[in-house]
Amino acid sequence: GQQLNQSPQSMFIQEGEDVSMNCTSSSIFNTWLWYKQEPGEGPVLLIALYKAGELTSNGRLTAQFGITRKDSFLNISASIPSDVGIYFCAGQMRGSNYKLTFGKGTLLTVNP
Amino acid sequence: SQTIHQWPATLVQPVGSPLSLECTVEGTSNPNLYWYRQAAGRGLQLLFYSVGIGQISSEVPQNLSASRPQDRQFILSSKKLLLSDSGFYLCAWSRPSSLSTEAFFGQGTRLTVV
Repeated sequence: GQQLNQSPQSMFIQEGEDVSMNCTSSSIFNTWLWYKQEPGEGPVLLIALYKAGELTSNGRLTAQFGITRKDSFLNISASIPSDVGIYFCAGQMRGSNYKLTFGKGTLLTVNP
Repeated sequence: SQTIHQWPATLVQPVGSPLSLECTVEGTSNPNLYWYRQAAGRGLQLLFYSVGIGQISSEVPQNLSASRPQDRQFILSSKKLLLSDSGFYLCAWSRPSSLSTEAFFGQGTRLTVV
């Protein structure tokens, strides 16, 4: 099946640092979503992007829908310990109704 | 507001036993419903999705089946569990439109087959 390449796989940072992660694909996507999952819980939607070039913020989080429609990035500014978790990108491919394709996630660890 | 309930939270079952996981959504009508499995490697694998009562699409051939007996109820089943069925199972819903694929997840069920 189609895949999203999400990188990095993991990040170990100090509190206060900025974080950047991204997803790329060889396919065109109509929608990009970013989720955060904490241990033992379901993923929670952080940001949804629907237009190429769209830049959206949610507090300290900023995400962009790539202009080629094949990539997206998520930035977290001034990280805090509660940012710890796994961050997933997900996208709806063009012509793929109802279904999302997920990246394998970025495990973020924030050292106080 | 919409809410999704998934149970049980954890389950330990012997190999060969049956399985039934239930998911219900409140506060919306005719949602799209999904079952995902998340293995230790973290990726989410779509198992089944449903766009209406009695309509089930299977993504991966396997030892599992799904049913949607009511509009907001989605059930994941197995007649005989395998060790490889262990994992974290997530139910999700999205709005009843192909234009909106924002998926909202339940709390998940940790299944251990022993």
